[in-house]
Amino acid sequence: DQQVKQNSPSLSVQEGRISILNCDYTNSMFDYFLWYKKYPAEGPTFLISISSIKDKNEDGRFTVFLNKSAKHLSLHIVPSQPGDSAVYFCAAFGNQFYFGTGTSLTVIP
Amino acid sequence: GAVVSQHPSRVICKSGTSVKIECRSLDFQATTMFWYRQFPKQSLMLMATSNEGSKATYEQGVEKDKFLINHASLTLSTLTVTSAHPEDSSFYICSAGLAGRLETQYFGPGTRLLVL
Repeated sequence: DQQVKQNSPSLSVQEGRISILNCDYTNSMFDYFLWYKKYPAEGPTFLISISSIKDKNEDGRFTVFLNKSAKHLSLHIVPSQPGDSAVYFCAAFGNQFYFGTGTSLTVIP
Repeated sequence: GAVVSQHPSRVICKSGTSVKIECRSLDFQATTMFWYRQFPKQSLMLMATSNEGSKATYEQGVEKDKFLINHASLTLSTLTVTSAHPEDSSFYICSAGLAGRLETQYFGPGTRLLVL
């Protein structure tokens, strides 16, 4: 059973606007969450993470929000750029890694 | 939803021994499986791409004789770390993709390898 879900397989956003990628999880024991970005034919690269003791972490244009009560994680990219077009995976860690299935983001110039 | 399992979830072995890690797609046929290595708080490093019935394609810098990959069926791929050394200690993660839909990948939970 998928413990981490990304329910939107794809997302299209205009350049300059905000991209919001969502992730839901089921296990309240997860204590660390990560977002990865993946270009075709490459392995996922680490983007940003958040500990369960926080509800927000910001790094430049990327902000991750954690809502523990809703078991929901989101990644905000603002402003979105064409180079952000990639597949984004969220992952949760609690002794093992649990990955979502990915959301393909397309930023339209 | 699609599930990928890995076995074992963690393994401790002595230096010089070989360790086999299994990656199984439990409810779908995975024509392509990927093997990654995860260093602490770093990106997943793609080691190799495994296609059912053919030889794996290794990424540059990955020793194919050290990391043996076998994708014998549409539901099983194995990674064997041969003559393991302490520097091989890491998380090894597999993912499985469907033919023609590799943008959607289903990841296994990872195997923690500790080589003493």
